[in-house]
Amino acid sequence: AQKVTQAQTEISVVEKEDVTLDCVYETRDTTYYLFWYKQPPSGELVFLIRRNSFDEQNEISGRYSWNFQKSTSSFNFTITASQVVDSAVYFCALSFNDMRFGAGTRLTVKP
Amino acid sequence: DTGVSQNPRHKITKRGQNVTFRCDPISEHNRLYWYRQTLGQGPEFLTYFQNEAQLEKSRLLSDRFSAERPKGSFSTLEIQRTEQGDSAMYLCASSLGMRQGAGETQYFGPGTRLLVL
Repeated sequence: AQKVTQAQTEISVVEKEDVTLDCVYETRDTTYYLFWYKQPPSGELVFLIRRNSFDEQNEISGRYSWNFQKSTSSFNFTITASQVVDSAVYFCALSFNDMRFGAGTRLTVKP
Repeated sequence: DTGVSQNPRHKITKRGQNVTFRCDPISEHNRLYWYRQTLGQGPEFLTYFQNEAQLEKSRLLSDRFSAERPKGSFSTLEIQRTEQGDSAMYLCASSLGMRQGAGETQYFGPGTRLLVL
């Protein structure tokens, strides 16, 4: 069975703090894909990153970075120097054909 | 705007009525997905199409739900005899996929928020 767990329901930080959102997944597939999406208050899911199971290189994109570790089945997401505009619900997802989402982590960045 | 579009954005209906939602995918995308999202939860997969063929349906898709994609372009999701438990956001996504299990990126529309009174 495929499952994604985001244990942090809500996180609140003050602007400029770094914050890490955790994601743990379960799958029996050897080939799979992991994603992060952002859902701002407007409601539309915005794609952030896609990773396949064979690529464990960490990735950095501006203030965003992702740490993929197959040994611990984790795909964590870090925002450096958070900003108020980062406030949203963030979803981690696991895909083969259809996509299985975690329950999401609501991030609030206070000024 | 060349993203995924959904209509209507909001729908309020009375229990027992039928409702239909429309999704227009990104034009070159051959795969189209429907998801349901309830408050405080992540989206849950309902069904997906490759061109006009409906390839997979979730157990969540009861017999009151039907989805079509008649010409492989836009899709409709109909809910018959709505129940209060159907109140949710219905999300559509599309992707360009050439084989099973490719895990391609899905791009989401803004959703249709349904409230059943």
